[in-house]
Amino acid sequence: SQTIHQWPATLVQPVGSPLSLECTVEGTSNPNLYWYRQAAGRGLQLLFYSVGIGQISSEVPQNLSASRPQDRQFILSSKKLLLSDSGFYLCAWRRGEAYEQYFGPGTRLTVT
Amino acid sequence: DAKTTQPNSMESNEEEPVHLPCNHSTISGTDYIHWYRQLPSQGPEYVIHGLTSNVNNRMASLAIAEDRKSSTLILHRATLRDAAVYYCILRRGNSGAGSYQLTFGKGTKLSVIP
Repeated sequence: SQTIHQWPATLVQPVGSPLSLECTVEGTSNPNLYWYRQAAGRGLQLLFYSVGIGQISSEVPQNLSASRPQDRQFILSSKKLLLSDSGFYLCAWRRGEAYEQYFGPGTRLTVT
Repeated sequence: DAKTTQPNSMESNEEEPVHLPCNHSTISGTDYIHWYRQLPSQGPEYVIHGLTSNVNNRMASLAIAEDRKSSTLILHRATLRDAAVYYCILRRGNSGAGSYQLTFGKGTKLSVIP
């Protein structure tokens, strides 16, 4: 069966510090991968998606970036965090043209 | 993208059926209707999807209006574990390989009363 992991589960970082969130998927190959952010009291916002290694599409211009160094690994980064980067970050995967998207447990980021 | 409108919140008694409405009056012919739910402090979970016909699965049923401008997610017997935010989402059927963008609104917060 497929499993999606995200870490860390929670993170408190000062403004201006770097960020690296990791997502890995087990039990499948060549998944489509997604990063979402959910700000407090708001819906999910798609940040990035990837259809393959090294292929990243950005949906929202911002100070975040994403990378996919391996088939089942998706990383969200920032060089300098802003207060507005606080939120619940969710990684998701989808198999090929399947209808369902499967979400990870999320990382709750607080920028202070 | 076509928009959906859902009530902010609903309540249901445990073990009773729940009908969660969604309006999507600007839906296009290739838009699929998806439902996801999000339990507190967890990632969203796929519930069901459909295009034109009503759909049933182990979690719920999806009733789609004949003109497709509205749909209803039906939970046949609400349990306390069904308390979550339910999102109704339209996904363009011809969005191409890979993008499959899901635009989540604020959804409906369902409370289940024991």
